[in-house]
Amino acid sequence: GAGVSQSPRYKVAKRGQDVALRCDPISGHVSLFWYQQALGQGPEFLTYFQNEAQLDKSGLPSDRFFAERPEGSVSTLKIQRTQQEDSAVYLCASGPTGSGTDTQYFGPGTRLTVL
Amino acid sequence: SQKIEQNSEALNIQEGKTATLTCNYTNYSPAYLQWYRQDPGRGPVFLLLIRENEKEKRKERLKVTFDTTLKQSLFHITASQPADSATYLCALGALLSGGYNKLIFGAGTRLAVHP
Repeated sequence: GAGVSQSPRYKVAKRGQDVALRCDPISGHVSLFWYQQALGQGPEFLTYFQNEAQLDKSGLPSDRFFAERPEGSVSTLKIQRTQQEDSAVYLCASGPTGSGTDTQYFGPGTRLTVL
Repeated sequence: SQKIEQNSEALNIQEGKTATLTCNYTNYSPAYLQWYRQDPGRGPVFLLLIRENEKEKRKERLKVTFDTTLKQSLFHITASQPADSATYLCALGALLSGGYNKLIFGAGTRLAVHP
């Protein structure tokens, strides 16, 4: 079956532009996570959805970052007024049950470069 | 603050030898720990999970140990092959009140297996 997909794979934005990153989780998966991965670092948690409910957004760096999952499947991470420090790979992961030790299945990521 | 340390330098070993990667953590009491593999340009792929009450877990050529007293996990790949070359990420999991797992990742260790 299909894994987690993300689009676009690469995005170049000028400073100040808004961007929207899309995540298509594995069909039927309850959990959805967004992570930010800087070069040479591990992924850092941004936000978590259980179905359509955003249960944790404690990792979002600023109010310029916004995520949604309105129908409990596809999710969008939006970054407004992008800054150079937003340049990173944004990873999406989904999990089947939403339970504590769910395996997280990661997408390939979107590499965002802000000029 | 919570901190996870993995060998920042690449680990170079000869094919057929056992690779041992280390994950140390401080100021944290994880309910479990996971190991992921990440190849360039791809998202992390789950390998193994070990819970706080387990000492050792095996899967094919992989072995993970978890010492909550030392606050350390060791990840072993026996009979290593060039195809095992990748970055290996350690991730600590916390079971939070919402019933989901929030992962905190280390920066990863790059393993290179030479023929």
